[in-house]
Amino acid sequence: DAKTTQPTSMDCAEGRAANLPCNHSTISGNEYVYWYRQIHSQGPQYIIHGLKNNETNEMASLIITEDRKSSTLILPHATLRDTAVYYCIVRSSPFTGGGNKLTFGTGTQLKVEL
Amino acid sequence: NAGVTQTPKFQVLKTGQSMTLQCAQDMNHEYMSWYRQDPGMGLRLIHYSVGAGITDQGEVPNGYNVSRSTTEDFPLRLLSAAPSQTSVYFCASRSSGTSGANVLTFGAGSRLTVL
Repeated sequence: DAKTTQPTSMDCAEGRAANLPCNHSTISGNEYVYWYRQIHSQGPQYIIHGLKNNETNEMASLIITEDRKSSTLILPHATLRDTAVYYCIVRSSPFTGGGNKLTFGTGTQLKVEL
Repeated sequence: NAGVTQTPKFQVLKTGQSMTLQCAQDMNHEYMSWYRQDPGMGLRLIHYSVGAGITDQGEVPNGYNVSRSTTEDFPLRLLSAAPSQTSVYFCASRSSGTSGANVLTFGAGSRLTVL
């Protein structure tokens, strides 16, 4: 699986958009980008994933660059409850072999403040 | 619909004791896995299973055993607990029926302290 690089920490004012970057310059054609978050002491929570098109759901938007070497998770109106560690993970489809493992790095600690 | 249920939430063991962390899911998911999380580190995969009767090792399997006799349950056994196994343990599951989707559902975690 491709390696990802994320900033260690970021701050965001409540009500503003939080833009969390992720670099995955070695991503291959069949690898998806997944985002999870982990609120303190809880189990990680799935947010969104995409292959090459931008994606949006009720939680967030995912913008993937055209060359797919980086992506940005956008929380459009961050609240205090969005304070968490955000993990960017690159993984091939489970149906292309290589097991079913997701590798979680250390992620980005997002702190949303008043 | 309970999702993924882990028990116990907290456990204190003495070195050398054995115990089992329980994990159950009610979503009929084929894939289940165990992760551990240590302070300042990401989650590390211990063992996983792609279906009943099938298990495999992850990154850090030493000191842990698993079995998968039913689709619903995936217990993690510590045979002889060591202080290095002090950690928070998370169980996760997902369906293998959706192409491209590694959408894991995690349990709330089990915090284990080995003295």
